[in-house]
Amino acid sequence: DAKTTQPPSMDCAEGRAANLPCNHSTISGNEYVYWYRQIHSQGPQYIIHGLKNNETNEMASLIITEDRKSSTLILPHATLRDTAVYYCIVLQGAQKLVFGQGTRLTINP
Amino acid sequence: GAVVSQHPSWVICKSGTSVKIECRSLDFQATTMFWYRQFPKQSLMLMATSNEGSKATYEQGVEKDKFLINHASLTLSTLTVTSAHPEDSSFYICSAKGGTTDTQYFGPGTRLTVL
Repeated sequence: DAKTTQPPSMDCAEGRAANLPCNHSTISGNEYVYWYRQIHSQGPQYIIHGLKNNETNEMASLIITEDRKSSTLILPHATLRDTAVYYCIVLQGAQKLVFGQGTRLTINP
Repeated sequence: GAVVSQHPSWVICKSGTSVKIECRSLDFQATTMFWYRQFPKQSLMLMATSNEGSKATYEQGVEKDKFLINHASLTLSTLTVTSAHPEDSSFYICSAKGGTTDTQYFGPGTRLTVL
């Protein structure tokens, strides 16, 4: 079973920052937080992952709370192409990726 | 980097025939590959995990004799759906990981329709 809780859907205006929350209150000390997204009829795309420090790459920023029980994925300037289902997954080492229902993010013009 | 391809991107076949789907890691050596299935409006479900040169490990409820997986090299895994039936129609997606990272990179998926 998925170990994370995400809102089923969110809307964001084009050009604004999209902040996607994820709760993972049972995360263990050696589990990473991974984010993937799936655009309609495509395979999932890796976005970012982190353990306890905040992370940033060319796609997004990941903010993890100090107690590691929740995190937020930030898309700084959302575009229409960012419309997708976003999955937050906790994973340790050789564990399997377990996909929940994710958050359906819609970017509006 | 970290590109995974799948072939074909879509396939239509008759009931009772077999279909082979290829998954390739293009710019890295994939020590482990995974096969997922996704039905409409549902999330991805892991079918099996394969390590190069070893037999695949199937998830509970997935028939290993129906979904044959071969991971003969560090860049190629194949999934063969044998004696396909309409209920096997789905979106099949592979992923791969290798080297020093645990990050899985996904292929674009293969849409299988069985008539």
